[in-house]
Amino acid sequence: AQSVTQPDIHITVSEGASLELRCNYSYGATPYLFWYVQSPGQGLQLLLKYFSGDTLVQGIKGFEAEFKRSQSSFNLRKPSVHWSDAAEYFCAVGALTDTGNQFYFGTGTSLTVIP
Amino acid sequence: DAGITQSPRHKVTETGTPVTLRCHQTENHRYMYWYRQDPGHGLRLIHYSYGVKDTDKGEVSDGYSVSRSKTEDFLLTLESATSSQTSVYFCAISLDIAKNIQYFGAGTRLSVL
Repeated sequence: AQSVTQPDIHITVSEGASLELRCNYSYGATPYLFWYVQSPGQGLQLLLKYFSGDTLVQGIKGFEAEFKRSQSSFNLRKPSVHWSDAAEYFCAVGALTDTGNQFYFGTGTSLTVIP
Repeated sequence: DAGITQSPRHKVTETGTPVTLRCHQTENHRYMYWYRQDPGHGLRLIHYSYGVKDTDKGEVSDGYSVSRSKTEDFLLTLESATSSQTSVYFCAISLDIAKNIQYFGAGTRLSVL
């Protein structure tokens, strides 16, 4: 069965520090992988996606993620965090089914940025 | 903006009453999804639709039904609301089913008292 694990429920970083949010997935085939961000009271915004090819993908707002097949991971990184990055971050895997595609989400990582 | 509108945005109702949430899209996309979001659970799929009158169950479909009589509207119904259905509900559409990039509405916050 497909699943996504985000082991860190909450992370606190200082503004300007680097950030890495962890994501591990379980899926039998080559996965489609996504990171979404959710600000309080808002919907989910797509940060970046991986389908194939280069395992390091760039997204919006200065984020990047690296797909590591051997580790079943798709960790999100940012070299220098801004206060506006405080939000909840969700990793997701897209799985092909008989009737289309389904998404499986992790439980999210809440990011706090301190001055 | 993927042209998704959810209504209502907020609703308070009583246990045992029926509730219908609406998701409307302007992009004429085939695939639409309903999720619920709860603390500690992330987003969980309730139902999805792969065409007009074509729907299937997701992970947490018990107590919910859906209907899609036209491409642009996907309705989620709680036949008899319970307190456990207090949640934030998100609609999503898929622009590219081959790779399944999903775009989300702003959500509906439902409280069942």
